[in-house]
Amino acid sequence: GEDVEQSLFLSVREGDSSVINCTYTDSSSTYLYWYKQEPGAGLQLLTYIFSNMDMKQDQRLTVLLNKKDKHLSLRIADTQTGDSAIYFCAESIRGGSYIPTFGRGTSLIVHP
Amino acid sequence: SQTIHQWPATLVQPVGSPLSLECTVEGTSNPNLYWYRQAAGRGLQLLFYSVGIGQISSEVPQNLSASRPQDRQFILSSKKLLLSDSGFYLCAWTYFNPGRANTGELFFGEGSRLTVL
Repeated sequence: GEDVEQSLFLSVREGDSSVINCTYTDSSSTYLYWYKQEPGAGLQLLTYIFSNMDMKQDQRLTVLLNKKDKHLSLRIADTQTGDSAIYFCAESIRGGSYIPTFGRGTSLIVHP
Repeated sequence: SQTIHQWPATLVQPVGSPLSLECTVEGTSNPNLYWYRQAAGRGLQLLFYSVGIGQISSEVPQNLSASRPQDRQFILSSKKLLLSDSGFYLCAWTYFNPGRANTGELFFGEGSRLTVL
């Protein structure tokens, strides 16, 4: 099975909050990331969290990490149509070559 | 500031033809370089990575190859394309300083869409 799992689709109404979930299997993961991919473009890092943190907030983005359950989530407050994109969860391990393992990506569709 | 360029952006090739995708990073030195493939409806598959000139690690067996002739240049090639090679190819780079804190953030190019007919 995959090391990083995400649901493939999420649909929300503009102005609502979006929550994208991710589970990972490697308990030695040190860094966990959220990347955003807009149509036809490369990925851009949205935010990352160290494994010794439980939460990180950055404007409309809130990342929650549950190490016990190996669960990572990304909450986008006041979701806008411009937030429509594919969101990738990724993990990497400190001490290696820092090659992250990516999930399949969650397509977020925001309806007006 | 650092930038990464990939070309061509779009490519349509017949089965059995050769392939060359090029990636160049500017504004940094000794980057780690990566080639990923994103097939439709699937996640990112790491194809190759390189930690230095002439050093290539392959993650999956395939008819693709990679080369790093210069510090900031990474090339993805094939001698004979297959239908299954169609996809969106992404080049990325990161910096890695041994002994220092590294976030592992990858910086991606804009991608090259390959269609094999």
